[in-house]
Parts: sequence; structure tokens; C-alpha cells
Amino acid sequence: GESVGLHLPTLSVQEGDNSIINCAYSNSASDYFIWYKQESGKGPQFIIDIRSNMDKRQGQRVTVLLNKTVKHLSLQIAATQPGDSAVYFCAENIRGGSNYKLTFGKGTLLTVNP
Amino acid sequence: ETGVTQTPRHLVMGMTNKKSLKCEQHLGHNAMYWYKQSAKKPLELMFVYSLEERVENNSVPSRFSPECPNSSHLFLHLHTLQPEDSALYLCASSQDLVQPQHFGDGTRLSIL
Repeated sequence: GESVGLHLPTLSVQEGDNSIINCAYSNSASDYFIWYKQESGKGPQFIIDIRSNMDKRQGQRVTVLLNKTVKHLSLQIAATQPGDSAVYFCAENIRGGSNYKLTFGKGTLLTVNP
Repeated sequence: ETGVTQTPRHLVMGMTNKKSLKCEQHLGHNAMYWYKQSAKKPLELMFVYSLEERVENNSVPSRFSPECPNSSHLFLHLHTLQPEDSALYLCASSQDLVQPQHFGDGTRLSIL
């Protein structure tokens, strides 16, 4: 079946550095992608999304890059702060009759060292 | 504050008990969802409601029974659960079925 995967289960960075979290997807029909952040004891929090007609989208301190050629998605966090420590999930949505069916990856644990 | 409130935050129950999880959203959304989050596994979609009608039952065992009395409230009724049902149960809502989903903080369920 189709799946969303992550290249690294953990990522450790120094405060102030930039972080890059990667995600691979396998279904070329996927046309909508979301990044979520989940802190300990909390539910996933929406960070940013991107549609397949774009290859880059920027938010506050975050940038999502989409490379449809290699089916790769990344989340870049600028000037990483201790409050950014969390598990980050990517999710994909496949256009069709079930637009709400997000497929989630397992997540990458980001640890920010002060 | 996410706008999606789940109660209780923690629940411990025996396999023969009956309990219910509650979700309330204050975002004016029309779609609500139940997910199961187990350790080291991706989020699993369980049920989807749109305008109070169930649009998805993702092969969930009948010991889980959802209820959506109105667009702001969603329940998950539990009975005769198994130890493998221990997990974090997350509720989410979205404006409609194609908009981003917003999650509550979950109910941590432990089955003895």
C-alpha cells in the first residue's frame, strides 16, 4: 500500500541552528501535504501545508519544500528554539473520493539543545 | 488552547467496563474525526463525520461506537475493550473535509 515515511527518526540540533526534517512519500497521486508538530502530552498542531502545484511555501520561521520528481517533502525551521522540541509528522492527502484521508508518517523527534 | 477539547485526559478501565470519550470543538467546524495513536505507529484514522453524518468507518472493531449528536460534539463509546486498545485517542475537526484538521490533546486510554 501507499505510505508516508521519514528518513530519520531523531534529529538533534543546537539552539539557533536551522533544522531540516525530511519526508518521503510514494504515491504520485498525492497532491496535498501537511506538517504537524506534536509536543509531549499534547495533540498534533498544524504548522504549514502545501499543495502539489507549489514547490515552496513559507510561514513564520518555517519553510516547506516539495519535490514532486523524487516524491520528497521537507520542513525547514529557522533559528531553532528549545520550544521547537517535539515530534514532527508529515501527512499526505490523495485526491479522490476521500479527500479527508490523511496518511501520516511515524514522525521525527526533534531535540533542541540549549 | 486548540479549540478542540477532549475529556477525560486519562482513562483506565477494565476489559468489561463501558466508558465514553468526549470531544467538543469551538471552531465552528463541520467535520470531526477520531484517530488512534499507538506508540511507534502512525496515526490511524478511525471514524469521520461530516455535518453529523458518518462518512467513514475505517475497519474499526464494533467495540468502538462513535456518536455525533451535533457538529460541535463527538463521542466514542467503548465496551469490552482489549489490552491492545490501550493508546492515545485523538479527536480532530476541520471546516470541511478538505481543510486542515485541528486536533485536541487526546485521551490516554489504558485497558487493564
